[in-house]
Amino acid sequence: NAGVTQTPKFQVLKTGQSMTLQCAQDMNHEYMSWYRQDPGMGLRLIHYSVGAGITDQGEVPNGYNVSRSTTEDFPLRLLSAAPSQTSVYFCASNTRGQGNTGELFFGEGSRLTVL
Amino acid sequence: EDQVTQSPEALRLQEGESSSLNCSYTVSGLRGLFWYRQDPGKGPEFLFTLYSAGEEKEKERLKATLTKKESFLHITAPKPEDSATYLCAVQNTGGFKTIFGAGTRLFVKA
Repeated sequence: NAGVTQTPKFQVLKTGQSMTLQCAQDMNHEYMSWYRQDPGMGLRLIHYSVGAGITDQGEVPNGYNVSRSTTEDFPLRLLSAAPSQTSVYFCASNTRGQGNTGELFFGEGSRLTVL
Repeated sequence: EDQVTQSPEALRLQEGESSSLNCSYTVSGLRGLFWYRQDPGKGPEFLFTLYSAGEEKEKERLKATLTKKESFLHITAPKPEDSATYLCAVQNTGGFKTIFGAGTRLFVKA
């Protein structure tokens, strides 16, 4: 059981380049989200989705796009990378099914450096 | 706006020296308060969910408690393997969003 899988684990970009961080989960969770984690600032919510075809903005959405065409996948796109987007990115999922605790299941993270 | 503040930012303990981590929160309607543990280079791992004031949960040397404005994570007789960052988070009753605090980095020296 893989849980939440993120790729790539490491990426270096130049300012202005674009890229997509991939996230896939095999738990049939309806809710998926992207966070960024910076030193001293904890986890900040970028975008989230409550199901296929439905996305919404979190606390820090600027510079990022998302889409949710399937239940399993929730990619995060950087259209024109900036040094301020240097961070560690985490994808997470959960379900509102009967009896669940509300806990988030996290991937291992993707470390992005923008030069 | 939902908000979570954790203190202290860092805590250094000797093995066996018990202490507590604090999480203050404001939320429009609390669905749940969560504690996670995060090891370096890894994603956060779930520890506890607390739903209402007065509730307590325990796991090994950890005990989480909840009031209407705060949660505490008590660590009894910690060991070096308890060294990690501990994150507090809240969900409100209105939706799915989970908002995190900045975390407390715990160092336990043998």
